[in-house]
Amino acid sequence: DQQVKQNSPSLSVQEGRISILNCDYTNSMFDYFLWYKKYPAEGPTFLISISSIKDKNEDGRFTVFLNKSAKHLSLHIVPSQPGDSAVYFCAASDYPSGNTPLVFGKGTRLSVIA
Amino acid sequence: DADVTQTPRNRITKTGKRIMLECSQTKGHDRMYWYRQDPGLGLRLIYYSFDVKDINKGEISDGYSVSRQAQAKFSLSLESAIPNQTALYFCATSDHSRGNDYTFGSGTRLTVV
Repeated sequence: DQQVKQNSPSLSVQEGRISILNCDYTNSMFDYFLWYKKYPAEGPTFLISISSIKDKNEDGRFTVFLNKSAKHLSLHIVPSQPGDSAVYFCAASDYPSGNTPLVFGKGTRLSVIA
Repeated sequence: DADVTQTPRNRITKTGKRIMLECSQTKGHDRMYWYRQDPGLGLRLIYYSFDVKDINKGEISDGYSVSRQAQAKFSLSLESAIPNQTALYFCATSDHSRGNDYTFGSGTRLTVV
């Protein structure tokens, strides 16, 4: 049973526009959420995170929104750039207890078209 | 030098062979993990270790074993490789006191023929 779901395997966006990547979770114990970015032939790299005590966290062009009641989070990239083309993984944790490893979604492949 | 180093980067092996993938880290993190990535299946956890004396099975541990030789080293073994173990394997580390953000290695691409 998937605890972290990314229902869109791929997304294509025009350069300069907004990219919105979505993630849903089912486990109410999750209280810390992360997004990782992965380029081909490289390992995933940490992008941005959010704690359940917040509903928004912003870092430059990247903003993550959390809706706890809906068990939904989204990553907004504004403006999108060709270098943002990558696979994005959503992940969830029960931090700060940290008793279980991160659970990852299946990923969404973002293509930013120049 | 990379913070998390995986060796080899690429490996082709035959069915039935034993193979070991190695991971070492210079981040001083206490926790280490092995994941595999398959197309359309995302990152799935094989084994993890919260400290040197701790080893835990993940979601897909069958056919794999691990050894945590030191805080900085965590190796993954396939005792008798089979073709459906062909995948991209990632080692990751984390420090529980710092938010559980993972640092990943560059991956090992394993092909079992």
